Amino acid sequence: EAQVTQNPRYLITVTGKKLTVTCSQNMNHEYMSWYRQDPGLGLRQIYYSMNVEVTDKGDVPEGYKVSRKEKRNFPLILESPSPNQTSLYFCASSLSLPGANTEAFFGQGTRLTVV
Amino acid sequence: GQQLNQSPQSMFIQEGEDVSMNCTSSSIFNTWLWYKQDPGEGPVLLIALYKAGELTSNGRLTAQFGITRKDSFLNISASIPSDVGIYFCAGLYVDSNYQLIWGAGTKLIIKP
Repeated sequence: EAQVTQNPRYLITVTGKKLTVTCSQNMNHEYMSWYRQDPGLGLRQIYYSMNVEVTDKGDVPEGYKVSRKEKRNFPLILESPSPNQTSLYFCASSLSLPGANTEAFFGQGTRLTVV
Repeated sequence: GQQLNQSPQSMFIQEGEDVSMNCTSSSIFNTWLWYKQDPGEGPVLLIALYKAGELTSNGRLTAQFGITRKDSFLNISASIPSDVGIYFCAGLYVDSNYQLIWGAGTKLIIKP
């Protein structure tokens, strides 16, 4: 089954403790991205990747890192999480740039709480 | 950065009613997308619009790409309980980069 898989689904952590949220897709998609969703703000893009070893900042990259060593995986890294990074995070992938005649597929989300 | 204004923020409707929501911007977009998010899930694409003036249907859903390329609307006819969720518009903005800009969402709630 074609899918985008995020792990974990839920995570509670403490301020400053490094964490990684994994994202994997099995559709051989080139484009992957991370979003955070906050009430009243919709989806805001954190980072995106057009292909292996190619990553770029989105609208809200501060406090986050990503890597794209393989096509299928695009982990999101929070080196020193802070409470303002408490949010619902989504990973998405598409064959190429979403909107340009390609559909973006989303993972089920990771609800992160930083205390 | 570019912004999309999506309205209304939320809607309380009776089952069977028609629903209308829209997104507007001061910028021109190349593509408009409408997504639905069910509780606990990621957004799922409903309709994609690629040309100004384009009107596209998907079952009871109809969406249009505004002639000015600065707006889009989504209509849902004869709403049913499974229509509950959050609807997002997204616009593809092209300048020196490609940016997919998202609206803040419209939460649809059906009154019992």
